[in-house]
Amino acid sequence: SYVLTQPPSVSVAPGQTAKITCGGKDLGTKSVHWFQQKSGQAPLLVVYDDDARPSGIPERFSGSESGDTATLTISGVEVGDEADYYCQVWHSSGDQQTWVFGGGTKMTVL
Amino acid sequence: QVRLVESGGGVVKSGRSLRLSCSGSGFRFNDYIIHWVRQGPGQGLEWVAVVSQDGKDSFYADAVRGRFSISRDNAKSTVYLDLRNIRPDDRGVYFCARPGTSSWNDFIDLWGQGTKVTVSS
Repeated sequence: SYVLTQPPSVSVAPGQTAKITCGGKDLGTKSVHWFQQKSGQAPLLVVYDDDARPSGIPERFSGSESGDTATLTISGVEVGDEADYYCQVWHSSGDQQTWVFGGGTKMTVL
Repeated sequence: QVRLVESGGGVVKSGRSLRLSCSGSGFRFNDYIIHWVRQGPGQGLEWVAVVSQDGKDSFYADAVRGRFSISRDNAKSTVYLDLRNIRPDDRGVYFCARPGTSSWNDFIDLWGQGTKVTVSS
């Protein structure tokens, strides 16, 4: 089965830049999506198709990809950005299709 | 208002069955595939299953294949997830979710608020 690997946690001070990575085999051939989930809430899409931002998502959130690693960058981090972040891809193999989430990264704003 | 609303969660004994429902409104329900995604207590998101627009195609995660069944009734704008032979590690919040377009592999941009499943021994 396909696996996406994220660091369990990242800490950042307000106003600084946070980078959350997501690694997977041949990730560069897939579209990577990123979700933010605050405690007790449903996930919220913050980046789709590697580097596109949905309407209503601040420009502080951006995505990039290089080789087998995708990165979510949050610039000028605010206290309200404290949340769990998940990467996700669609993976097709043979006649099976799966939607895979990374293990999630807990971002703490110090 | 475009929304998804889950229902059917509750306390169920290990080995028993449960049916979850996901009702959509504010959009053409039969234009979209629908996913179920779950989250165990303190755990990450885990994709569970997906059903095609007409209900004829479905795919499952390895952890639930053969025990869970996804189906839909477009006349009722509702997708179902039947959980059978429930195990303790099936506990958690179950979300239904919809992609942004009718494309099979598109990103998810709409989530319900979830329904909680608790498994007792």
